[in-house]
Amino acid sequence: QPVLTQSSSASASLGSSVKLTCTLSSGHSSYIIAWHQQQPGKAPRYLMKLEASGSYNRGSGVPDRFSGSSSGADRFLTISNLQSEDEADYYCETWDSNTRVFGGGTKLTVL
Amino acid sequence: EVQLVQSGAEVKKPGESLKISCKGSGYSFTSYWIGWVRQMPGKGLDWMGIIYPGDSDTRYSPSFQGQVTISADKSISTAYLQWSSLKASDTAMYYCARFDSWGQGTLVTVSS
Repeated sequence: QPVLTQSSSASASLGSSVKLTCTLSSGHSSYIIAWHQQQPGKAPRYLMKLEASGSYNRGSGVPDRFSGSSSGADRFLTISNLQSEDEADYYCETWDSNTRVFGGGTKLTVL
Repeated sequence: EVQLVQSGAEVKKPGESLKISCKGSGYSFTSYWIGWVRQMPGKGLDWMGIIYPGDSDTRYSPSFQGQVTISADKSISTAYLQWSSLKASDTAMYYCARFDSWGQGTLVTVSS
């Protein structure tokens, strides 16, 4: 079963960009992942699906400030022109035929 | 528009049973896997299990196998998560989720 590793926290300034990382466990570097955002006190929100090739598809209504990229077992979420509402927890998720799994989440602080 | 609407908050005592629901609309309910996710207070997201309403094929995370039951009634486009005997440690927010949509969450509080 795949395991996803995320840094516990990140911070960046208002108006700048930040790149969050999700790393797939050994043997799972080809897996597709999804990124989800959870603002404080709210339900999670689907952001995008991201393939090993770096191709991504944003969810309905997700601003184009959110983009994805990949390198080997690493999957990245880049947020450009950071806004105050981007302060949230960000989770990556992946799946195989029998299970789904989340990373531990990254808490993003907008300074 | 895809929508997942969950049942309301619950307060239960240890040992009691509970069934919470998630009604899907705006898409073909029988054609997409739908699952349940637990979020304990101040913690991350834990996948519990998923069901394919078209044929009721159900898969459980090993951590939740035998602890909960996931089911679906395709005639009313509704998925369910149930417990036969709640514990205080089941206190959490529970979300249903399709791969690209989330319900609003159901808060379950178990306390004597």
